[in-house]
Amino acid sequence: DAKTTQPNSMESNEEEPVHLPCNHSTISGTDYIHWYRQLPSQGPEYVIHGLTSNVNNRMASLAIAEDRKSSTLILHRATLRDAAVYYCILSASGNTGKLIFGQGTTLQVKP
Amino acid sequence: NAGVMQNPRHLVRRRGQEARLRCSPMKGHSHVYWYRQLPEEGLKFMVYLQKENIIDESGMPKERFSAEFPKEGPSILRIQQVVRGDSAAYFCASSPLGGASTDTQYFGPGTRLTVL
Repeated sequence: DAKTTQPNSMESNEEEPVHLPCNHSTISGTDYIHWYRQLPSQGPEYVIHGLTSNVNNRMASLAIAEDRKSSTLILHRATLRDAAVYYCILSASGNTGKLIFGQGTTLQVKP
Repeated sequence: NAGVMQNPRHLVRRRGQEARLRCSPMKGHSHVYWYRQLPEEGLKFMVYLQKENIIDESGMPKERFSAEFPKEGPSILRIQQVVRGDSAAYFCASSPLGGASTDTQYFGPGTRLTVL
């Protein structure tokens, strides 16, 4: 399974944008990039996914580098409720669909 | 549409007892995944099931752990003769597509198992 690398932790101020980076230099052409997050004492929650083009939804935006070796999850205005561990995961076709979680990035949001 | 349900939310067992964790997937989902999160560690895949079939159990410990997803009823993760090292949060997730690279998994709130 292709691996991802994320910073262990990041800090942000409330109502400011947050850019969470992820490196996946060994990504294959059919791997999708998924982001999940886990709020304290809760199960993981899907955030967004994409293949090549940038993606937007109500929660966040996903910016994917042209060579696909990295991506960035963008929270446009961080709130205190966005404090969580954010996981960047690659999902390959033909896989059984199991998610391989790394350590993720722990995001702290300061009021 | 109700989300993924897990029960019990908290379970306390003494060493040597059995633990049964239940997971009801979202309506219309026939794919269930189980993950374990040990204290201060990341989430680890355990097993992937479809109705009446185990598809991928590569993350299951070789002994004492079993899982099923019957035609009717919830998926069950069963841990026999629990030990203190089994204390963890167990999450299940369901998905509509199962294995597709565009698939999204929907997680339950987890069962927190404490072994005394």
